[in-house]
Amino acid sequence: GAVVSQHPSWVICKSGTSVKIECRSLDFQATTMFWYRQFPKQSLMLMATSNEGSKATYEQGVEKDKFLINHASLTLSTLTVTSAHPEDSSFYICSASRGQGVLNTEAFFGQGTRLTVV
Amino acid sequence: AQTVTQSQPEMSVQEAETVTLSCTYDTSESNYYLFWYKQPPSRQMILVIRQEAYKQQNATENRFSVNFQKAAKSFSLKISDSQLGDTAMYFCALKNTGTASKLTFGTGTRLQVTL
Repeated sequence: GAVVSQHPSWVICKSGTSVKIECRSLDFQATTMFWYRQFPKQSLMLMATSNEGSKATYEQGVEKDKFLINHASLTLSTLTVTSAHPEDSSFYICSASRGQGVLNTEAFFGQGTRLTVV
Repeated sequence: AQTVTQSQPEMSVQEAETVTLSCTYDTSESNYYLFWYKQPPSRQMILVIRQEAYKQQNATENRFSVNFQKAAKSFSLKISDSQLGDTAMYFCALKNTGTASKLTFGTGTRLQVTL
């Protein structure tokens, strides 16, 4: 199966600093990647859809200036949490799909990043 | 807007027994995909099984099978011969057939397999 690698697995940062999370598709090209946030014992909440070479599409209620998404290549998308605060502490997960049509039916997920802001 | 509902927050099953997890959904699309994902304590999302809405035959993957009732918009997951390693959160998800369409997840069911 296709592999999506997310880095780092966990990070602790001070309040007010910025943190960058990387999501890489290792053995396929991903035109579209998705960023999710998951609170403890809750479901995945889609934050934004990341499109290679264009601006990300954010879900309602997600601050685009706080959660900066860059999808500069077909294998890499990054999520930067700017001026992080304790309430941004969460588990962040990325996913990617291969190609289009029937190849796009399955989403492959990264391992997730646990962010703790102190 | 599409929604996915999982009405069982937690379930428990004994090892080797069979358990069924419920999922209902709503969408205005005629063609779509349905998924069950497993999230073990490691929190890595793992695809368990997939169903194309245009296929009437229920999908099966070894010990995992689904009961897909399109008219009722129901998509339950049956786990046979439960194993301790099946202990995890299970999420039902819906995806339209567009090239960049997103997954809509249910709230999840926490399954505990006991000895």
